[in-house]
Amino acid sequence: QQQVKQSPQSLIVQKGGISIINCAYENTAFDYFPWYQQFPGKGPALLIAIRPDVSEKKEGRFTISFNKSAKQFSLHIMDSQPGDSATYFCAADQTGANNLFFGTGTRLTVIP
Amino acid sequence: DAGITQSPRHKVTETGTPVTLRCHQTENHRYMYWYRQDPGHGLRLIHYSYGVKDTDKGEVSDGYSVSRSKTEDFLLTLESATSSQTSVYFCAISESVASIRYEQYFGPGTRLTVT
Repeated sequence: QQQVKQSPQSLIVQKGGISIINCAYENTAFDYFPWYQQFPGKGPALLIAIRPDVSEKKEGRFTISFNKSAKQFSLHIMDSQPGDSATYFCAADQTGANNLFFGTGTRLTVIP
Repeated sequence: DAGITQSPRHKVTETGTPVTLRCHQTENHRYMYWYRQDPGHGLRLIHYSYGVKDTDKGEVSDGYSVSRSKTEDFLLTLESATSSQTSVYFCAISESVASIRYEQYFGPGTRLTVT
């Protein structure tokens, strides 16, 4: 059973557009929600992360929006660039659990 | 890749043979993890270690064993490889200070094909 559900599976966006990837979870004990970026042939790399005490976190062009009551969080990439083309994974973790649960990934393609 | 190396990077093996994958870190981080990545599943935790000789099972541990005899090395063994273990395997590390764990850094991955 997938602990974290991610959509869409793939996304095509024009350069300069906004990319939005959504994730949902059921376990209310999760208290850490990172997003990872993965380029072909490489390992995932942490992009941005949020804890449930805030509803939004922004780092440059990347923003996480978090809705605790709906148990949903999303990644927004503003002014998307071809260099952002990669696979993005959301994840969720619970302090002390030692098990980071990943979504199934979204392949983002930014068209020049 | 944050001072993490994995070996081999690619391996093809036959069903029923034992296989050992190695993860080596130079960061002196306490926690080490083994994940597998499969289409439609994202990454799933196989085993993790929270110190030398201290290991525990993850979400998909059946058919795998691990060992950690030194802080810097974490080995993943497929005791008798099966075709369902064809996957890309990632090692990750993280630190822990006062019970707060920090981000996981991932290695470059090992692509394993079991024929």
